[in-house]
Amino acid sequence: EPEVTQTPSHQVTQMGQEVILRCVPISNHLYFYWYRQILGQKVEFLVSFYNNEISEKSEIFDDQFSVERPDGSNFTLKIRSTKLEDSAMYFCASSEGSDSRTEAFFGQGTRLTVV
Amino acid sequence: GQNIDQPTEMTATEGAIVQINCTYQTSGFNGLFWYQQHAGEAPTFLSYNVLDGLEEKGRFSSFLSRSKGYSYLLLKELQMKDSASYLCVVMDSNYQLIWGAGTKLIIKP
Repeated sequence: EPEVTQTPSHQVTQMGQEVILRCVPISNHLYFYWYRQILGQKVEFLVSFYNNEISEKSEIFDDQFSVERPDGSNFTLKIRSTKLEDSAMYFCASSEGSDSRTEAFFGQGTRLTVV
Repeated sequence: GQNIDQPTEMTATEGAIVQINCTYQTSGFNGLFWYQQHAGEAPTFLSYNVLDGLEEKGRFSSFLSRSKGYSYLLLKELQMKDSASYLCVVMDSNYQLIWGAGTKLIIKP
């Protein structure tokens, strides 16, 4: 069964450092998403990506964040100058389409700990 | 603003039935999803409703009333593995997913 894969599963970084979270979406999917979930809180939308550009982004997704699809398979989230409050689970998701009939499939997440 | 309300926590007994309610106020509506999330894991899809009524899938059923901005997830024959958070998620008119905070369901033997 096809699945979204994320690496690493856990990343520890020092405050102020840059991190890159990697995702391999399901191969025939066209829409890609990043979400984050701070421990004990709700899932928060960060950004959606289609046709090699950002289609939507939330208020959380400021200049500290960027996304890229460097090749045909990977979808990355870069967080610059990390802060303690960036510690969270980061989930990547992909879907065939963006309308209400499609389901987003989630990766298992990357737990980012900023120390 | 956009808002989704669901109980923070519920407790039920193994083998019993539990109903988790969700009410929403969003900018338009393009469907409501229920996701299950075990602690430390990714959300997994349970159900999708876009028309009023009940959708049944095995032990789980989901109901929607668009006029009332209301949905529920019904879990029957509860098993210990059903202990998880259940997330009510609404897709708004811009096809954006608005996530509820989740209901933590605790199953007791």
